[in-house]
Amino acid sequence: EAEVAQSPRYKITEKSQAVAFWCDPISGHATLYWYRQILGQGPELLVQFQDESVVDDSQLPKDRFSAERLKGVDSTLKIQPAELGDSAMYLCASSSGQGAVYGYTFGSGTRLTVV
Amino acid sequence: KQEVTQIPAALSVPEGENLVLNCSFTDSAIYNLQWFRQDPGKGLTSLLLIQSSQREQTSGRLNASLDKSSGRSTLYIAASQPGDSATYLCAVRHAGNMLTFGGGTRLMVKP
Repeated sequence: EAEVAQSPRYKITEKSQAVAFWCDPISGHATLYWYRQILGQGPELLVQFQDESVVDDSQLPKDRFSAERLKGVDSTLKIQPAELGDSAMYLCASSSGQGAVYGYTFGSGTRLTVV
Repeated sequence: KQEVTQIPAALSVPEGENLVLNCSFTDSAIYNLQWFRQDPGKGLTSLLLIQSSQREQTSGRLNASLDKSSGRSTLYIAASQPGDSATYLCAVRHAGNMLTFGGGTRLMVKP
């Protein structure tokens, strides 16, 4: 069964350092999402891509976060500088289309701890 | 703005019980609703997807229903097992191809 790949699985970084996460969606999925999930809460959208274009990044803290999907395939989410409050699970998801019949497939996530 | 609420936030039941998890959403203009399972420290696994035109979906011991007009969905788990212990999240897909999540229900099934 096709999967969304994410790496690293875990990341511990010191505050003020830079950190990057990688996501490879299911082949052929044009839509890619990055979500952040704080412990005990539901995931919240950070950024949505359609192919290589950003569709929605209204919830992305742009002073420190950046996201790219240069060739419309895999994607990188970067935080610089990291803050203690960025500790969370970062989830990537992809979808093959828009509309009622299409669901989302999530990766295993990257657990970030900022110390 | 679409808001999704899940009740209860946590639930503990003895093994073998049938149980119902609830999800409500504020805007009925949705494309579909998806139920996910999340084990501690793991990603999300899709359980069931109900299209906006459907009333329910079933997979094994799981049955999800959708009442779009009232903004409600339920996930029914029959004959619960300790392996069902996890957090269950519902999410609605709506305008702008957005997916909005509830806060989840943490389920513990005791042997």
